[in-house]
Parts: sequence; structure tokens; C-alpha cells
Amino acid sequence: KQEVTQIPAALSVPEGENLVLNCSFTDSAIYNLQWFRQDPGKGLTSLLLIQSSQREQTSGRLNASLDKSSGRSTLYIAASQPGDSATYLCAVSPITGGGNKLTFGTGTQLKVEL
Amino acid sequence: NAGVTQTPKFRVLKTGQSMTLLCAQDMNHEYMYWYRQDPGMGLRLIHYSVGEGTTAKGEVPDGYNVSRLKKQNFLLGLESAAPSQTSVYFCASKWIASTDTQYFGPGTRLTVL
Repeated sequence: KQEVTQIPAALSVPEGENLVLNCSFTDSAIYNLQWFRQDPGKGLTSLLLIQSSQREQTSGRLNASLDKSSGRSTLYIAASQPGDSATYLCAVSPITGGGNKLTFGTGTQLKVEL
Repeated sequence: NAGVTQTPKFRVLKTGQSMTLLCAQDMNHEYMYWYRQDPGMGLRLIHYSVGEGTTAKGEVPDGYNVSRLKKQNFLLGLESAAPSQTSVYFCASKWIASTDTQYFGPGTRLTVL
């Protein structure tokens, strides 16, 4: 059974700091990995998707990497802003079969302070 | 496009009551999903559907039933609500390709007393 772990559970940083969120998973065979953002009381918004055959994806100030051999992914946020405050969730999904079901980690709650 | 919508947004039930949560999407997506989110446990998949008329069990299906009679709608039913079903419920939908992202609704907060 796939298990996804995110460390730390919560993180508070001053504005402008670069930061890294971590995600680890137990079964790395042929999985895509996604990072989502969830604002309080809202649904999830997809940030980045890394295909099983890829090593990283970038979008603006966000960069996500995938290391299947170690079962780890990192989300790097450059020059953090108060608007980045949210909960960040990583999730893995098989690339074939089973409706591409997502298995989620428990999230990292990020607070960026002025 | 409204994207993924969920009805209702909030609901309070008494133990033993029944209710149906409605998820609707206007993106012509084939796949649809129901998750529940509980503190400290992340999102867990309840049921999902890979097309109109199909349903399948997820990680935590007990106590729930689903139906997908129309492609754009995915209904989640609780026949006899229990306090353990107090949670926030999210619906999501996506296209068929594995690299297509899931689009999430805003959630339904359900409290069972």
C-alpha cells in the first residue's frame, strides 16, 4: 500500500526566505507526483505535476523535483511572500489503471510572515 | 465555466439520518472522485468513477454509496449517518490521461451529531 509522508507538518518563515517542503513515498514504481495548494476553507489547486519519467517541473517561483530511487520529492519556493501562506499537499498516482487515484500526504501548513 | 461545484456547502445531520451530496462538473471530464478530509489524516478516497454508469471503491468506502447516472454528476450518499462521518467532503474530476490534473470542488462540511 502506497504511503505518503510530508515533513514538516507546519512551517513559519519570514517574507523573502527561500524554503523547501519535503514529501516521501513508499512505492516509487511508475507513479506521477503532484503538488497541491489548499487555502483555508477552500478546495485544492494543482501547482505542479511531475511525470514518472521526469525529474523536475518549474512554474514561476516554484520548483518541484522527483527522486524515484529514494522515494522523495521536494517543493522549492523562492522568495516567499505572505500570499504563499497555505497548506501544501503532495500526492502520488499510478500512471495506469485504477482511475489514476491520488494518495495524499497529510500536508505542510506554511505561514509566511511580514 | 463553473468548474466543479458541490451542493450543499454545509450540513448538520443527526445520527441515523440520510443525505446525498451532489457534485457537478461542466468540463466534460470522464473521471470523478469523492474524498474526505479529516484533521491529521489528509485526503482519503471514498469512491470514484471512470465514466458514466461506473463506480468503484476507494480507500474508505464503508457507509457510503455513489451513483453516476449522468456524466456531469457524481452523487455521494450516506444511508445512516454516524458521528465518524463528520468530515469535509471534496469532489474532483479529470480527463482520462494520467498526466491530467484533478480539479477540486470547494468542499462540503458535514457534521453528524
